[in-house]
Amino acid sequence: AQSVTQLGSHVSVSEGALVLLRCNYSSSVPPYLFWYVQYPNQGLQLLLKYTSAATLVKGINGFEAEFKKSETSFHLTKPSAHMSDAAEYFCAVLFYNQGGKLIFGQGTELSVKP
Amino acid sequence: DAGVIQSPRHEVTEMGQEVTLRCKPISGHNSLFWYRQTMMRGLELLIYFNNNVPIDDSGMPEDRFSAKMPNASFSTLKIQPSEPRDSAVYFCASSIGQGNSPLHFGNGTRLTVT
Repeated sequence: AQSVTQLGSHVSVSEGALVLLRCNYSSSVPPYLFWYVQYPNQGLQLLLKYTSAATLVKGINGFEAEFKKSETSFHLTKPSAHMSDAAEYFCAVLFYNQGGKLIFGQGTELSVKP
Repeated sequence: DAGVIQSPRHEVTEMGQEVTLRCKPISGHNSLFWYRQTMMRGLELLIYFNNNVPIDDSGMPEDRFSAKMPNASFSTLKIQPSEPRDSAVYFCASSIGQGNSPLHFGNGTRLTVT
């Protein structure tokens, strides 16, 4: 069975500091993995996706994620946090053998302190 | 590209009333998803359609919930009768439904049942 777990429901960093949001997956087949961001009162926006073409994936707004098969992880990072990065972030795994069913982790709320 | 359009943005209703939420997917997308978001349970997949056909409705919480997709450009999620515990934000998303194609989300409908 495929599932995804986000470690830490809240993460707080200072502006300019490294952002690290953790995601671990469980899958019996090579996974398709995604990171989405949700700003207040809005829907989810795609940050980046892993497609097996490269283990380091670059997304929008300076975010990137590295797929590590040995650790079954797909952690999201950004070298320097900006106040506008404050939002909720969701990791998701795709059940591509079921017509594209996407299952989300519980989400991590990122706060950025000035 | 107009994106996924949901209506209404906000709905306040009394317990026992029927509620209908509407979604227009992105033109050309053949997969449509309904999610519910609450603080307690995060993002839950309720049902999804592929080429207007319901594929998996295992996430629909009770028989009070029903969803239809009469054509490729319109879907509804109906709750009858509504209960206070149905209060949540309901998101519709669509995708081209192939491989690892990402989901595109609407801005959601915030439902409050009093």
